Amino acid sequence: KAGVTQTPRYLIKTRGQQVTLSCSPISGHRSVSWYQQTPGQGLQFLFEYFSETQRNKGNFPGRFSGRQFSNSRSEMNVSTLELGDSALYLCASSLVFSGRASNNEQFFGPGTRLTVL
Amino acid sequence: GQSLEQPSEVTAVEGAIVQINCTYQTSGFYGLSWYQQHDGGAPTFLSYNGLDGLEETGRFSSFLSRSDSYGYLLLQELQMKDSASYFCAVRDTGFQKLVFGTGTRLLVSP
Repeated sequence: KAGVTQTPRYLIKTRGQQVTLSCSPISGHRSVSWYQQTPGQGLQFLFEYFSETQRNKGNFPGRFSGRQFSNSRSEMNVSTLELGDSALYLCASSLVFSGRASNNEQFFGPGTRLTVL
Repeated sequence: GQSLEQPSEVTAVEGAIVQINCTYQTSGFYGLSWYQQHDGGAPTFLSYNGLDGLEETGRFSSFLSRSDSYGYLLLQELQMKDSASYFCAVRDTGFQKLVFGTGTRLLVSP
């Protein structure tokens, strides 16, 4: 079974631009979560989507948004990029919504390394 | 809110045993998980403690004590490939989201 895939793997943008990142979950997984990872802040939860609905949202500004499609693929968008948005953006999938999971197992993709200049 | 504190770095030699601690402050959660992340790689799930006590999976064991707001990951017979970052995580009962600890970088030397 193929793992979680994320595209692109690397991205360089300039301040003020916007960016869209894509995540394809493991086949059959309906929940997709997004995280931002930085050396200073660690792994920070952005949001979770299940059945095309946002179920949870972390403490990030409205510039960060996402959506999920009927095939469970998900995209996240960051508008008006700031230097501080430079990070590794990780997507994780799981079979069910995290609120119904029997454990905390999520399957992570390799991430998209975003650099904002 | 929740916060999970871990030591920033731990060093050990091959064949040794190392314990990575995780202390947390949260109003309620379902269980404590551990993830491993190699440099440049994705986090991978290692273990889950839904109840107090010890869970063993091969060379790795994880422990949870809710009364002490404390858990740990125990790695035995360390190998060079165990050099990685380790994160504890909880899923809170309120917002249901997964919250990760600050992470511990484990360096295993020959």
